Amino acid sequence: QVQLVQSGAEVRKPGASVKVSCKASGYTFTGYYMNWVRQAPGQGLEWMGWINPNNSRTKYAPEFQGRVTMTRDTSINTAYLELSRLKSDDTAVYFCASREMVSWGQGTLVTVSS
Amino acid sequence: DIQMTQSPSAMSASVGDRVTITCRAGQGIDNYLAWFQQKPGKVPKRLIYAASKLQSGVPSRFSGSGSGTEFTLTISSLQPEDFATYYCLQHYSYPWTFGQGTQVEIK
Repeated sequence: QVQLVQSGAEVRKPGASVKVSCKASGYTFTGYYMNWVRQAPGQGLEWMGWINPNNSRTKYAPEFQGRVTMTRDTSINTAYLELSRLKSDDTAVYFCASREMVSWGQGTLVTVSS
Repeated sequence: DIQMTQSPSAMSASVGDRVTITCRAGQGIDNYLAWFQQKPGKVPKRLIYAASKLQSGVPSRFSGSGSGTEFTLTISSLQPEDFATYYCLQHYSYPWTFGQGTQVEIK
């Protein structure tokens, strides 16, 4: 069955960086864009961007441009989201979502606090 | 950015009610719209894609309609498991944008 398994919760100080992983199984990893979506506590969904695992091409939401990097490792069917210069309002659950957002990871809570 | 405005933001309804949620786009998005359901503490679930196509495995009481700037999600007969927050998403132009969500609560 299709699964996206994300890395565990992270705590960072303001100004630091965080890297979240998303391991895919049960489908052709390179066949579908991998989206990243975040959700601040008690808030709605926010699209951050996608990576095409086939060629590493990326598209980022302007809000995150310059702070976000999406990468992938096709040898282990894993996508990564790195967010730098973290601020307190980056505290959120970060989701990966593939297969046209039919399949979602379980979410990774990133807490930014001094 | 294309703003997606959902209405209402929250509603109370009873089991068996017909429920309609509207999503308005700030500019035309053809039919590049999806609907998602999210229950507390859970992952979003895609219900509808291309504005009106039912995702496989989703009950037929869910339906979507619309094109251009106005879209609706209808639940024909609300069931206990349908109490959740619903989001629309436009993927017509970048950045893709979600509506703010509609929370459907038990009356």
